[in-house]
Amino acid sequence: AQSVSQHNHHVILSEAASLELGCNYSYGGTVNLFWYVQYPGQHLQLLLKYFSGDPLVKGIKGFEAEFIKSKFSFNLRKPSVQWSDTAEYFCAVSPYNQGGKLIFGQGTELSVKP
Amino acid sequence: DVKVTQSSRYLVKRTGEKVFLECVQDMDHENMFWYRQDPGLGLRLIYFSYDVKMKEKGDIPEGYSVSREKKERFSLILESASTNQTSMYLCASSSGGSGQPQHFGDGTRLSIL
Repeated sequence: AQSVSQHNHHVILSEAASLELGCNYSYGGTVNLFWYVQYPGQHLQLLLKYFSGDPLVKGIKGFEAEFIKSKFSFNLRKPSVQWSDTAEYFCAVSPYNQGGKLIFGQGTELSVKP
Repeated sequence: DVKVTQSSRYLVKRTGEKVFLECVQDMDHENMFWYRQDPGLGLRLIYFSYDVKMKEKGDIPEGYSVSREKKERFSLILESASTNQTSMYLCASSSGGSGQPQHFGDGTRLSIL
């Protein structure tokens, strides 16, 4: 079955610390990959996406993610987090030719201490 | 900017009631989706639709149905609400195929008593 796994359920960091959130998926075919963010009380917003080409993609607010095809991974990184990055982060996979359907991971709650 | 509007932010209903959740998008998107979001489980797809009057089951369709009579509107129906359907419900829309991101509404927090 197709699935997405996020390794950390809750991450607590101090401001200026570096962030890496893990995401692995199980699907053997071509995929498009996404990270979404949900700030407290707000709707899910797209953080970044990977379709093809350079496996290192940059998104909004200084976030980036690297697609490693051999490891079926798409980890999210930020060199220095801010208090305003406190949110829940979701990794999602869209298998090719399934009409835009997304399979989400369980989510990682990030708390940044000022 | 894409706007996906869900009719209610909070809703309280009783066990056995028929419940309608409405979603409207303003970008002429072909695809629309209904998810439920539960702590520790992420978002799980209930139903989706590629076009008017078309629907496909997602991963957890039991106890739900949907209706898409117009392109901009996608309704989720709980035929006979049960307490285990208490959850946050999210609607999303997208254009085209697998490469396009989905745009989400604010969600409806539904409580079944």
